[in-house]
Amino acid sequence: DSGVTQTPKHLITATGQRVTLRCSPRSGDLSVYWYQQSLDQGLQFLIQYYNGEERAKGNILERFSAQQFPDLHSELNLSSLELGDSALYFCASSVGQTSHYGYTFGSGTRLTVV
Amino acid sequence: GENVEQHPSTLSVQEGDSAVIKCTYSDSASNYFPWYKQELGKGPQLIIDIRSNVGEKKDQRIAVTLNKTAKHFSLHITETQPEDSAVYFCAAPLSGAGSYQLTFGKGTKLSVIP
Repeated sequence: DSGVTQTPKHLITATGQRVTLRCSPRSGDLSVYWYQQSLDQGLQFLIQYYNGEERAKGNILERFSAQQFPDLHSELNLSSLELGDSALYFCASSVGQTSHYGYTFGSGTRLTVV
Repeated sequence: GENVEQHPSTLSVQEGDSAVIKCTYSDSASNYFPWYKQELGKGPQLIIDIRSNVGEKKDQRIAVTLNKTAKHFSLHITETQPEDSAVYFCAAPLSGAGSYQLTFGKGTKLSVIP
């Protein structure tokens, strides 16, 4: 157990639908990062939050949004889902704002859009 | 743009042999270089990292070397064992949107043949 908790582990939904993925960071970590992992695309950075505020955006689609709550857990919202959104979504946490202390990853949410 | 290139994409070695995975990065300001191991169905796990003030770091059978001038770093696994079979990712912090987040290579699938 890495200390980063992601729920649900698996999600199957239809095109056009909206889903919410949840992440609880490791105790003491203030940053949460979201990554998307597709078969041939490796780990693509989506967005980072630090202590409740958005810090950096990567290749995140406009249909996707995220937030970090006062208790530091984070949610990634995916709407108007398309078949191509099927992927593994990972949350990672770190103690500081920058990545220079390494990340701890959760076990991921596997999203299947049918 | 800023990126991290990783080679090879697949690697097969006989048990007991050594494995070497290489990465190059583009941002000369990067100063932290972690390696992650991802086993099937799990999230990436940090196995070793190196900072730019050292050229080499070892942890039992795993070592990482860094050449800042050439902007490349490598993972060395000696005396490979079947349990080393996994996908390995290198990463580097690349500037973007006012913060630093890890950009990952596309991964190397290592197979250790018993």
